Amino acid sequence: GAGVSQTPSNKVTEKGKYVELRCDPISGHTALYWYRQSLGQGPEFLIYFQGTGAADDSGLPNDRFFAVRPEGSVSTLKIQRTERGDSAVYLCASSPSTSGTQYFGPGTRLTVL
Amino acid sequence: AQSVTQPDIHITVSEGASLELRCNYSYGATPYLFWYVQSPGQGLQLLLKYFSGDTLVQGIKGFEAEFKRSQSSFNLRKPSVHWSDAAEYFCAVGAGYNQGGKLIFGQGTELSVKP
Repeated sequence: GAGVSQTPSNKVTEKGKYVELRCDPISGHTALYWYRQSLGQGPEFLIYFQGTGAADDSGLPNDRFFAVRPEGSVSTLKIQRTERGDSAVYLCASSPSTSGTQYFGPGTRLTVL
Repeated sequence: AQSVTQPDIHITVSEGASLELRCNYSYGATPYLFWYVQSPGQGLQLLLKYFSGDTLVQGIKGFEAEFKRSQSSFNLRKPSVHWSDAAEYFCAVGAGYNQGGKLIFGQGTELSVKP
């Protein structure tokens, strides 16, 4: 079956602009996670959804970052007033349950000029 | 605080040689432990996981890992490396995993394979 998909695969923007990154989880997966991977580092947790609600957003670096999952499926990560330090690969993962294996998408590479 | 350490940033092995990638974790309770592999341009793929029970776990692609509580380690091994194993390997611990918690990743070990 289809895995986790993320769009766009690459996004180049200018400092100060607003961006949206989309994640389509595996059908039926109730849990959805966002991570950020900087160059040469392991992924770092940003936020986790169980259904429509954010169960843990402790990894969001500041209030410029926001994520939604309005219907309990697709999620959008929104970044306002982008900064060069936001440049990274943003990974999405989904899981069939809160204790299941997390399946990762290919990521969106964000470059802020 | 929970953390994962992968001491080796880069390892090179010859094709056919054995491989061991090190992972040490810091976690107060019984850990849920994972190894993922990431090939260039690809997403993270789960190799294996440890939740409980037998401390030697088998994974895909001929990999295995052993959980050693006394050493806080979860090292990944493969008896004979193939050129296609060249990739980045990440060890991770699930924080509060049975409640849907996040994964905490190590920095990763890049594996190169010599012909």
